[in-house]
Amino acid sequence: QKEVEQDPGPLSVPEGAIVSLNCTYSNSAFQYFMWYRQYSRKGPELLMYTYSSGNKEDGRFTAQVDKSSKYISLFIRDSQPSDSATYLCAINTGTASKLTFGTGTRLQVTL
Amino acid sequence: DVKVTQSSRYLVKRTGEKVFLECVQDMDHENMFWYRQDPGLGLRLIYFSYDVKMKEKGDIPEGYSVSREKKERFSLILESASTNQTSMYLCASSFRTGSYTFGSGTRLTVV
Repeated sequence: QKEVEQDPGPLSVPEGAIVSLNCTYSNSAFQYFMWYRQYSRKGPELLMYTYSSGNKEDGRFTAQVDKSSKYISLFIRDSQPSDSATYLCAINTGTASKLTFGTGTRLQVTL
Repeated sequence: DVKVTQSSRYLVKRTGEKVFLECVQDMDHENMFWYRQDPGLGLRLIYFSYDVKMKEKGDIPEGYSVSREKKERFSLILESASTNQTSMYLCASSFRTGSYTFGSGTRLTVV
């Protein structure tokens, strides 16, 4: 079983839709949860960073962590064509320097 | 603007050549990483370094080596390039257990 599971998509939604991207993980020691966005032919860039269970909001983006279910989500409100990218979840325990990445979900927002 | 710089965006090399991929960061980060990214396989860790002259194998080190002579520079070496090493190579750096900052990537084609 992989430590982090993420549906690869692709996920296609119309402009203005609410998007939900998800990851599940198996190691209860994971404490830090991140979402990266990667545009085509570019390196990933950090989008959201959260430590605790609950929600963290930044503009149109909300990161949600449910440690009891080992489930993390990224919600995008009022999605735009510029949100079309691959989204990767990343997790670590806080005591190790290495992040564990999901395989990424490719999102396409259409006009 | 802090950044991770990879020396080449695109490279084409012949089978059997020795290939050097260079990565420089200007954030005084201790940790540096080399990943390759292939469709459907996500990010796979090749090597990482948590200090000058220190290195540790990642998940797929075979056919690769690394060098870290200075804190800001981390080099990936393909000893004898093969066609199955055609991939997108991403360098990243981080401070202790923090989030990663990625470079823009090097798309290597081995012919």
